[in-house]
Amino acid sequence: GQQLNQSPQSMFIQEGEDVSMNCTSSSIFNTWLWYKQDPGEGPVLLIALYKAGELTSNGRLTAQFGITRKDSFLNISASIPSDVGIYFCAGPSTSGTYKYIFGTGTRLKVLA
Amino acid sequence: NAGVTQTPKFQVLKTGQSMTLQCAQDMNHNSMYWYRQDPGMGLRLIYYSASEGTTDKGEVPNGYNVSRLNKREFSLRLESAAPSQTSVYFCASRGPGGYYEQYFGPGTRLTVT
Repeated sequence: GQQLNQSPQSMFIQEGEDVSMNCTSSSIFNTWLWYKQDPGEGPVLLIALYKAGELTSNGRLTAQFGITRKDSFLNISASIPSDVGIYFCAGPSTSGTYKYIFGTGTRLKVLA
Repeated sequence: NAGVTQTPKFQVLKTGQSMTLQCAQDMNHNSMYWYRQDPGMGLRLIYYSASEGTTDKGEVPNGYNVSRLNKREFSLRLESAAPSQTSVYFCASRGPGGYYEQYFGPGTRLTVT
């Protein structure tokens, strides 16, 4: 079945640094969604991507839909302590159902 | 505009007790979902409702039932709770047509003793 692999699994960074993470699959996705989940909270949608090559920003966050349709990237510029959390990608299954595939997540820790 | 709301936020049950988790969305979305999230397991789909009047099983439906009460509300029922159902439960809804953005509620943390 379809799977989404994220890397890195976790990362420690210094406040002010830029962060990059990616999401890859062996199969094609037509939509990429990026979420952030804080401890004890529900996932919050950050960015949605619908076209191959699309680059979309939301404040300090920028995400790109890979041209092969098999990957997506999320960048956070000038990280701050509240960026701490788990970031995961997701996409609707191409099996013709309403189901979604979720990535394994990247846990981000920011050192002040 | 509250988005997706869930009640209760926390619940403790004894084995064998029953309860219903409530979910409502005010975004006029057709599709609604119930997930459970366990440490190291990620989000797993329990049931979903593609539209009002329809429900379908997800990956882990055993021990659960759902009701799509109307377009806004989608409830999850545990008839006889088991310790294996200790988890965090999230409701979500999805936008119409070709928009695949899925929005999640704040979650219900359930402990079964």
